[in-house]
Amino acid sequence: DGGITQSPKYLFRKEGQNVTLSCEQNLNHDAMYWYRQDPGQGLRLIYYSQIVNDFQKGDIAEGYSVSREKKESFPLTVTSAQKNPTAFYLCASSPLRQINTEAFFGQGTRLTVV
Amino acid sequence: AQSVTQLDSQVPVFEEAPVELRCNYSSSVSVYLFWYVQYPNQGLQLLLKYLSGSTLVKGINGFEAEFNKSQTSFHLRKPSVHISDTAEYFCAVSDYQAGTALIFGKGTTLSVSS
Repeated sequence: DGGITQSPKYLFRKEGQNVTLSCEQNLNHDAMYWYRQDPGQGLRLIYYSQIVNDFQKGDIAEGYSVSREKKESFPLTVTSAQKNPTAFYLCASSPLRQINTEAFFGQGTRLTVV
Repeated sequence: AQSVTQLDSQVPVFEEAPVELRCNYSSSVSVYLFWYVQYPNQGLQLLLKYLSGSTLVKGINGFEAEFNKSQTSFHLRKPSVHISDTAEYFCAVSDYQAGTALIFGKGTTLSVSS
C-alpha cells in the first residue's frame, strides 16, 4: 500500500539532546512537509521541500533542521536549540502537478522532553 | 498572506443532530480549500476539498461544505452526526501554485454525545 510512514510513533528526549524523526513516502510525491501540532494551535509549518536537495523554512523553523537527499525521505532533526520541543509532529507529502492538490499525512510522532 | 480562522474551538452536539463547523479565510489570491479530520493520536484524513466548479462540495462520511467567495467562507456541515464523528476538524487553504504548503486553522473539536 502506498502511504507515508513516520517513525517512531512515540519519542522521548532528554533536554539538550538532538533527535531525528523519520518520514518516508512511497507515493512518488515531489513535495514533502513537516508540521508541528500543539493543543489549540492547529498545524504550523516547520519546513518543506519541493525537490531533492532543496528545502525552505516555514513559519517556525528555528531549532529544527531537515535534509532531502532522496525523494522518498525527509527526516526532521529537533535540535537542542528548540526550547519547547514537546509536541505532535506530522509529516505530509503532495504531488507537484499543474494545480495544487491536497496533502497526504503520516500518522505522526509524539515527542516528549523528559 | 493567507490565513484561516475557525470560529469555534469546540462544538458539542447530540447524536443525530445537525452540525456546522465554521471556517473563514483571507487571501489576496484565488485559493483552494480543504477540510481534514483528525482522530486522537493519528494523522489527518481528507474529508473534502474545493478546487473549482460547484460551490457545494460533498465529502466522505456524509459531510459537505459550501464555498462562498463573497463571504470568504467554507463552512462544513453534516445533517445528522454520529458518535463516531467525534474528532478534531481542520480547515486549510492553499494557493494555486503546486507544492505550496497548506495553511491550517486552529481546529474545531466536535464532541458528539448520546
